[in-house]
Amino acid sequence: DAKTTQPPSMDCAEGRAANLPCNHSTISGNEYVYWYRQIHSQGPQYIIHGLKNNETNEMASLIITEDRKSSTLILPHATLRDTAVYYCIVRVSYGGATNKLIFGTGTLLAVQP
Amino acid sequence: GAVVSQHPSRVICKSGTSVKIECRSLDFQATTMFWYRQFPKQSLMLMATSNEGSKATYEQGVEKDKFLINHASLTLSTLTVTSAHPEDSSFYICSAAGTSGGAPLGELFFGEGSRLTVL
Repeated sequence: DAKTTQPPSMDCAEGRAANLPCNHSTISGNEYVYWYRQIHSQGPQYIIHGLKNNETNEMASLIITEDRKSSTLILPHATLRDTAVYYCIVRVSYGGATNKLIFGTGTLLAVQP
Repeated sequence: GAVVSQHPSRVICKSGTSVKIECRSLDFQATTMFWYRQFPKQSLMLMATSNEGSKATYEQGVEKDKFLINHASLTLSTLTVTSAHPEDSSFYICSAAGTSGGAPLGELFFGEGSRLTVL
């Protein structure tokens, strides 16, 4: 079973920041928080991941609470092309079969013009 | 970034026939690949873990004799849907875990998916 909880859907105005929350209250000490997104009829796309520090890359920022029980993915300036289902996943990050990703239901982000 | 390619992207077949879907890691080696299935408006469901040179590990409820997986090299895994039926119509997606080359160790990269329609 997925170990994360996300709202089923969110709206965001184009050009504004999109803040997508995720609860992972049972996360273990060696599990990372990963974010992927899936645009309709495509394979998932990696966005960002983190362990306990906040992370930023060219796509997004990831804010993880100090107790690591929740996190927020931030798309700083959402565009229409960011409309997708966003998945928050916890996973131990090392090679091998236990490295699999278990997807929950995700959040459908609809960016409005 | 690392690229995973699936082929074919779309396939239509008659009921009772078998269909093979290929998953290739183009610029890195992957000892482990994963196969997912996704029905409309649903999330991805992990079907099996494919390990190079050994038998695949199937998730509970997935028929290994129906969904044959072969991982013959470090860059190729295949999924064969045998004796396909209309209920097998779905979006099949593979992912590969980077172990060397152009992918960060342990990170997963996804193919574009293969849409199977069984008539």
